[in-house]
Amino acid sequence: GAGVSQSPSNKVTEKGKDVELRCDPISGHTALYWYRQSLGQGLEFLIYFQGNSAPDKSGLPSDRFSAERTGGSVSTLTIQRTQQEDSAVYLCASSLARNQPQHFGDGTRLSIL
Amino acid sequence: GENVEQHPSTLSVQEGDSAVIKCTYSDSASNYFPWYKQELGKRPQLIIDIRSNVGEKKDQRIAVTLNKTAKHFSLHITETQPEDSAVYFCAAILNAGGTSYGKLTFGQGTILTVHP
Repeated sequence: GAGVSQSPSNKVTEKGKDVELRCDPISGHTALYWYRQSLGQGLEFLIYFQGNSAPDKSGLPSDRFSAERTGGSVSTLTIQRTQQEDSAVYLCASSLARNQPQHFGDGTRLSIL
Repeated sequence: GENVEQHPSTLSVQEGDSAVIKCTYSDSASNYFPWYKQELGKRPQLIIDIRSNVGEKKDQRIAVTLNKTAKHFSLHITETQPEDSAVYFCAAILNAGGTSYGKLTFGQGTILTVHP
């Protein structure tokens, strides 16, 4: 079946603009995660959705970052008033349930000019 | 909070040799430990994982061992091949108070180079 799908694959925008990143999880997966990977670095947790529970937002770096998950499926990560330090690859993952293996999408490479 | 340390940061081996990457974690309540392989410009791919009720798990040339007492786990790759060259990440999921949380805390990665 289809894996985790993310769009766009690349996004270049000017500092101060808002961006929206999209994630389509694997069908049937109840848990969805966003991570960020800066150049040559490890993966940093941002936010996690599990079913209808309140999301775990503990990894969001500032109030410019927000995410939602509609209908328990597709998720969007929004970054407002982008800064150059927001440049990174934003990775989405999904799993059948929490504490189950997580499978990643190809990510969105975000570049802030 | 949960912390995962990974060593070495780079590892260079000859084809056919074994490679070992080690990770330590800070919270004894962690209960799930996956390993991911990431090739340049590609997504992280889950290659093997282990849970805290198991000491070792093998899948062909790859094995993972877990020492709960010492709070460390290791990835072992035998008979390495050039296509094993990639960045490898370890990770852990915290289990606090019996409630499993989903988020992964990652190590900083190991760049493995296998020379033909």
